[in-house]
Amino acid sequence: GAGVSQSPSNKVTEKGKDVELRCDPISGHTALYWYRQSLGQGLEFLIYFQGNSAPDKSGLPSDRFSAERTGGSVSTLTIQRTQQEDSAVYLCASSFSTSGLKNIQYFGAGTRLSVL
Amino acid sequence: GQSLEQPSEVTAVEGAIVQINCTYQTSGFYGLSWYQQHDGGAPTFLSYNALDGLEETGRFSSFLSRSDSYGYLLLQELQMKDSASYFCAVRSLNSGGYQKVTFGIGTKLQVIP
Repeated sequence: GAGVSQSPSNKVTEKGKDVELRCDPISGHTALYWYRQSLGQGLEFLIYFQGNSAPDKSGLPSDRFSAERTGGSVSTLTIQRTQQEDSAVYLCASSFSTSGLKNIQYFGAGTRLSVL
Repeated sequence: GQSLEQPSEVTAVEGAIVQINCTYQTSGFYGLSWYQQHDGGAPTFLSYNALDGLEETGRFSSFLSRSDSYGYLLLQELQMKDSASYFCAVRSLNSGGYQKVTFGIGTKLQVIP
């Protein structure tokens, strides 16, 4: 596609439910990142995939969060047993690689998650 | 650990020049990037510095001093549409051998007539 695509754009869920957020990166981009942004705050790094390497999960806030990337392309971020503090905009970005200017990250429009 | 500091808010007049500073503490430093984010929008890339010096892209320039762990974004001939949040982001190698990108809290720039 022309850009990074995320779905859904908005998700309202009840506390305790599981949610899945999807990210479709730019074709040919080997690196994929997930971030969380609370209202008026900066970007909190969650997880990073590079090619077929094991992902860097160091930013995941708890074991309720998990992510996978199938076939080196589409990624899903899963939040189990959602809590109200999980409410935020979840942003996905992809980059061609991680070296030099090829590390430019292109962001999707995000998924706004609201946990009631 | 890693940390970045940038001012939370800056106000400047249309047509003027504004500089947004970013200081960082990190190990395994690779480079410093700047991103712009309008309210309700996604961050978009502005510039990247891996080496010391000034990078110029139109009205925007970015500077890096690796020895001072410091960089800045310079916006010239400010326009109302430049009102947005500006994030510095450090790319570094973490202890696990992964490249990691850490974003600052963002500087909210308000351009006034």
